[in-house]
Amino acid sequence: SQQGEEDPQALSIQEGENATMNCSYKTSINNLQWYRQNSGRGLVHLILIRSNEREKHSGRLRVTLDTSKKSSSLLITASRAADTASYFCATDANTGGFKTIFGAGTRLFVKA
Amino acid sequence: GAVVSQHPSRVICKSGTSVKIECRSLDFQATTMFWYRQFPKQSLMLMATSNEGSKATYEQGVEKDKFLINHASLTLSTLTVTSAHPEDSSFYICSAKRGGGSDTQYFGPGTRLTVL
Repeated sequence: SQQGEEDPQALSIQEGENATMNCSYKTSINNLQWYRQNSGRGLVHLILIRSNEREKHSGRLRVTLDTSKKSSSLLITASRAADTASYFCATDANTGGFKTIFGAGTRLFVKA
Repeated sequence: GAVVSQHPSRVICKSGTSVKIECRSLDFQATTMFWYRQFPKQSLMLMATSNEGSKATYEQGVEKDKFLINHASLTLSTLTVTSAHPEDSSFYICSAKRGGGSDTQYFGPGTRLTVL
C-alpha cells in the first residue's frame, strides 16, 4: 500500500511563480526523497532529506521535513514551463527490509 | 551518476503470451533491485524486492507465479509477466541500489507493456 498522500493532486501556475507541493506519510522514516517524472518517462531523483534534517536546498528547489507532523514540502521557485511534470515524494522506512514507498504525486503544469 | 537501463522500452504482445523485461545496472553492482508498476496518472506501486542470489520478496497482492523475478547477477534482474492479460498493461519501472540498507535508488527509464 502507498505510504502517503500528496497535495495538491494537480497544480497549475504561471511561469515565474513558485510552486509548493506537500507530502504526508504514515510510518517512521529514515529519509524522504522527491522525484520528478515527465509523462511516460522514468523518474529523476531531485533531492533526499534525512530524518534528522529539517530543510535542504538544491538550486531552485527547497525541501522541508517535519517528522513530528510526518510531512514534507517541496518548493520550486521561479518556475519554468520545463518544470511541468509529476512530482512524487517517496519514503524509506525500515519495515522488515528497506524499501521505498511512493506518494500519490502532484501533477504540476507551468504555463508559459 | 549511476545508470540503470531497461529493455525493451516498449512491448506489445498478445493475451496469453509471456513477456520478459530486463533491468541492468550499467556502472555499478546492485545488491538490491526493485520492481514497480505504474498505471496511467497514478503513482508507482512496489511489486517486489529482489536481492542477488535469493528469492524475491513480493508485496501483498502481487502474484509471484504471475510476475517471475530473477536476480541472477549483481547487474541484472528480470521480470517475466507470464500469461499476460490486458489488465497487465502498465508501465513497469525497475530501480537499483548499491547497498542493502537505505541508500540512493537509481531508476530505469521504464517499460511500457501493452497486452492486446
